[in-house]
Amino acid sequence: EVQLLESGGGLVQPGGSLRLSCAASGFTFSSYVMSWVRQAPGKGLEWVSAISGGGGSTFYADSVKGRFTISRDNSKNTLLLQMNSLRVEDTAVYYCAKAGSWLTPFDYWGQGTLVTVSS
Amino acid sequence: EIVMTQSPATLSVSPGERATLSCRASQSVSSNLAWYQKKPGQAPRLLIYGASTRATGIPARLSGSGSGTEFTLTISSLQSEDFAVYYCQQYNDWPNYTFGQGTKLEIK
Repeated sequence: EVQLLESGGGLVQPGGSLRLSCAASGFTFSSYVMSWVRQAPGKGLEWVSAISGGGGSTFYADSVKGRFTISRDNSKNTLLLQMNSLRVEDTAVYYCAKAGSWLTPFDYWGQGTLVTVSS
Repeated sequence: EIVMTQSPATLSVSPGERATLSCRASQSVSSNLAWYQKKPGQAPRLLIYGASTRATGIPARLSGSGSGTEFTLTISSLQSEDFAVYYCQQYNDWPNYTFGQGTKLEIK
């Protein structure tokens, strides 16, 4: 059974940093593209970042480019998101999501972790 | 960026009736279109991919159609568990994935 479990969310001041983790199990982690998707309070879903199975290719939404860094540790089946220079508008529930490849939908999602950016 | 527009924003339907949700893309996404169900406090759930293929475990009362820029999700004979928010997503323009703003399906 595929399981994705996010952690690392919390309250942080504007300009601060936070690192999110997503522990994966139930599939060959290194074979799949992984993404982070967020949902701000009362808003819709927004894709944030994606990384190839081997970690060599990474992509970001314009809204987070230069501030967020996605990475993965395939030896530990873990997806990471380093978030720097956080803004109030980054407040959201952050989900990790598995995809088959680049041209496929997100077939499994975690339960999410809440990031609140506020002074 | 491909903009996905869903309509209506809110749809009120009685249990047992049919619901039809629409999604329009600002440019062609071929059949690379997915539908997700989202309930409060839960992870999004993949319902339909390839515009019309049901994901594993999704009941036959849910069906998707369309290609290019116009897509539809139809739920026949609504059950209590179907009342949720539904999002369409294009993955044709990878990795610039975009979602619609959602349609809230509520009990009439």
